[in-house]
Amino acid sequence: DAGVIQSPRHEVTEMGQEVTLRCKPISGHNSLFWYRQTMMRGLELLIYFNNNVPIDDSGMPEDRFSAKMPNASFSTLKIQPSEPRDSAVYFCASSFSTSGYTGELFFGEGSRLTVL
Amino acid sequence: KQEVTQIPAALSVPEGENLVLNCSFTDSAIYNLQWFRQDPGKGLTSLLLIQSSQREQTSGRLNASLDKSSGRSTLYIAASQPGDSATYLCACPNDYKLSFGAGTTVTVRA
Repeated sequence: DAGVIQSPRHEVTEMGQEVTLRCKPISGHNSLFWYRQTMMRGLELLIYFNNNVPIDDSGMPEDRFSAKMPNASFSTLKIQPSEPRDSAVYFCASSFSTSGYTGELFFGEGSRLTVL
Repeated sequence: KQEVTQIPAALSVPEGENLVLNCSFTDSAIYNLQWFRQDPGKGLTSLLLIQSSQREQTSGRLNASLDKSSGRSTLYIAASQPGDSATYLCACPNDYKLSFGAGTTVTVRA
């Protein structure tokens, strides 16, 4: 398997622009997570999907952030409008979960976002 | 809420020395515990997953132990190499949410 695939790897944009990050989870996995990593805050869980359904979006910073998972093989994280404080590395991760518990978690390489 | 702590935050050792990385957690009712490695500018790579029913897990030079009663896990890396330089994180789930430690950054000097 190719692992979790994220795109783009790097994104530089100007404040106010829309940013869309993409993720393809590992085939067969039923759980998908979006994380954000910064030096100040470490890894933060933004949103969790199970069987394509958003279960927990309490980590989404504000209404400027939205995420979708239209099918089992694709998810997007959108920021509109973007702000400099959104600059971070955004990771997508997937796992096979049973009985509500997360199994081994696999991460993508991340999307490094810089908002000028 | 599960709190995961990794001490020390950084470690520097000469090549060939064995590495011992510590992870402690507050809630012993964990389902599993996972160790990750992160290289600069890269994603997290899964190293080992220990199920709650296991006491240890081994992969090559890596061995991870789990003591639920004391809320501790230890990652041992035998005969360290410069290529082992990275940040090592441990994480354990409360249901679907993983609580991550802040990581231990390891430097292996040639």
